[in-house]
Amino acid sequence: GDSVTQMEGPVTLSEEAFLTINCTYTATGYPSLFWYVQYPGEGLQLLLKATKADDKGSNKGFEATYRKETTSFHLEKGSVQVSDSAVYFCALSAGPGANSKLTFGKGITLSVRP
Amino acid sequence: DGGITQSPKYLFRKEGQNVTLSCEQNLNHDAMYWYRQDPGQGLRLIYYSQIVNDFQKGDIAEGYSVSREKKESFPLTVTSAQKNPTAFYLCATAAVVNSPLHFGNGTRLTVT
Repeated sequence: GDSVTQMEGPVTLSEEAFLTINCTYTATGYPSLFWYVQYPGEGLQLLLKATKADDKGSNKGFEATYRKETTSFHLEKGSVQVSDSAVYFCALSAGPGANSKLTFGKGITLSVRP
Repeated sequence: DGGITQSPKYLFRKEGQNVTLSCEQNLNHDAMYWYRQDPGQGLRLIYYSQIVNDFQKGDIAEGYSVSREKKESFPLTVTSAQKNPTAFYLCATAAVVNSPLHFGNGTRLTVT
């Protein structure tokens, strides 16, 4: 079945540091890939997405590129801020013809120090 | 203001009691979902519905039930058969198949 693997956390960085959060996936067909972010006490919000190989999703300074050859969708940000402290989830959605449920990774907690 | 409303934010129940969590949306989305979130386990799908009067089991449906009598509403009942019901429950919607999910702010259920 489909699965998403995220790097182990938590991650603690100083403000303005470079961020990479690894995500790899296993899926049949051609999934869409997503990053969601969850701020404390809230639901998840879509951060960015990519729907086909070599697509780059970007939002709020975050970027991720859909790499079919390495089955990866790593999240990066050049300079993190304290306000980026949250839990980040990588997810995939099976391609056309399948039902629309998402498969999530376990999430990783990011803490950014001033 | 369009959105998803989950109520209440915090819910406490005694073991052996059924409890119903509310999820209402005014986004006119066809698909609705219930996820459970536990520390270190990410999100796991309980039930989902792609159209009114139809729903399917997700990965961990045992001990839960749902209904979808109206497009706007998708209540989740946690029954006494659910062995470990204490968790954070998230409702989500999607406009069409494979479109991104919109999440509510969740209900934290504690059963003692």
